[in-house]
Amino acid sequence: DTGVSQDPRHKITKRGQNVTFRCDPISEHNRLYWYRQTLGQGPEFLTYFQNEAQLEKSRLLSDRFSAERPKGSFSTLEIQRTEQGDSAMYLCASSPGQINEKLFFGSGTQLSVL
Amino acid sequence: GDSVTQMEGPVTLSEEAFLTINCTYTATGYPSLFWYVQYPGEGLQLLLKATKADDKGSNKGFEATYRKETTSFHLEKGSVQVSDSAVYFCALSDLGTGFQKLVFGTGTRLLVSP
Repeated sequence: DTGVSQDPRHKITKRGQNVTFRCDPISEHNRLYWYRQTLGQGPEFLTYFQNEAQLEKSRLLSDRFSAERPKGSFSTLEIQRTEQGDSAMYLCASSPGQINEKLFFGSGTQLSVL
Repeated sequence: GDSVTQMEGPVTLSEEAFLTINCTYTATGYPSLFWYVQYPGEGLQLLLKATKADDKGSNKGFEATYRKETTSFHLEKGSVQVSDSAVYFCALSDLGTGFQKLVFGTGTRLLVSP
């Protein structure tokens, strides 16, 4: 399978704990995106990487959120001091790097904060 | 800011029925428009797109026409199948950002019965 891979598929945590998600994009895709989807809503943009550079961050991404993409390959999204409002599906997508190109989405990581 | 509004679901149809899912948008510029589909347990997949006014996107029997005068991008299919059951998301992307910062609608669930 050469699609976008996300790990874990599900994460249950207690409020106040830190969590980290991983995304492995399609190889040679230099663009990587994180989106968040809450129940009954469409995905919302969180952040964008071109290679290892984080070029755009949404205002939705509070100081408790940090994303990295070392060496322009896989990416991690960390949430510190989780809150119940962080419960959502976190989606990763990658693309080869052209305007209007297709985004390839992973299946997401479902986070539940108790 | 930019936004997308799509009809609420679920839309329930019998096999071979005609499908329309309405989508309207608000944007300050000249966005590209997309329909993404999410099958149960899978990641979002691009279904079709249109990049300028009067363009028609089509794929797998689905069609949508970019109507600038009505700011709409309605999804249609002449004869749905049970396998079309999924959640459909209308989205736009502002090319001015230089990357695919998608703004999604809330999604419309389609249920097709035999």
